[in-house]
Amino acid sequence: EPEVTQTPSHQVTQMGQEVILRCVPISNHLYFYWYRQILGQKVEFLVSFYNNEISEKSEIFDDQFSVERPDGSNFTLKIRSTKLEDSAMYFCASSGIGFYEQYFGPGTRLTVT
Amino acid sequence: AQTVTQSQPEMSVQEAETVTLSCTYDTSESDYYLFWYKQPPSRQMILVIRQEAYKQQNATENRFSVNFQKAAKSFSLKISDSQLGDAAMYFCAYRTRDGLTFGKGTHLIIQP
Repeated sequence: EPEVTQTPSHQVTQMGQEVILRCVPISNHLYFYWYRQILGQKVEFLVSFYNNEISEKSEIFDDQFSVERPDGSNFTLKIRSTKLEDSAMYFCASSGIGFYEQYFGPGTRLTVT
Repeated sequence: AQTVTQSQPEMSVQEAETVTLSCTYDTSESDYYLFWYKQPPSRQMILVIRQEAYKQQNATENRFSVNFQKAAKSFSLKISDSQLGDAAMYFCAYRTRDGLTFGKGTHLIIQP
């Protein structure tokens, strides 16, 4: 069964450093998403991406964040200058045309020290 | 803005019994989708069941079923014949356009 994959599973970085989180969505899906979950809290929407552009973003997704689909398979989330409060689990998700379910990857645990 | 409320931070059920997790939401939209996701200790988000708001019939997936009350904006999840593998956080989620809005979750404990 096709699935969303994410790398790395755990990333440790120092405050102020740039990080790139990578995702490979399900191959025939066209809508891509990033969410984050701070430990013990609910999952929060960051951004959605379709047709090579952002279609919706939340207020969390400020200028420190960017997304890109650099090739036909990868979908990345970049955090330009990490802060301690960026420590969280980051989930990538994808969905296909006409399907409203979003399928989530296993997540990347980001720890900012 | 849409909000999703799960009023039960934690629920406990005996193995093989039935449990119902509650969820309410607030929206002014008429067309939307509702979901239940399960998050085991691995923290993977697993889709359990979905419901389209325009459908009157309640969705069912094996031991999982929902009670969707559109007028009351209520969307509860019933798990029948609970199994140890059902132990997890359960999140209710709402969607109109793009991003999902999640509730805070209910931690489900299965007593053997």
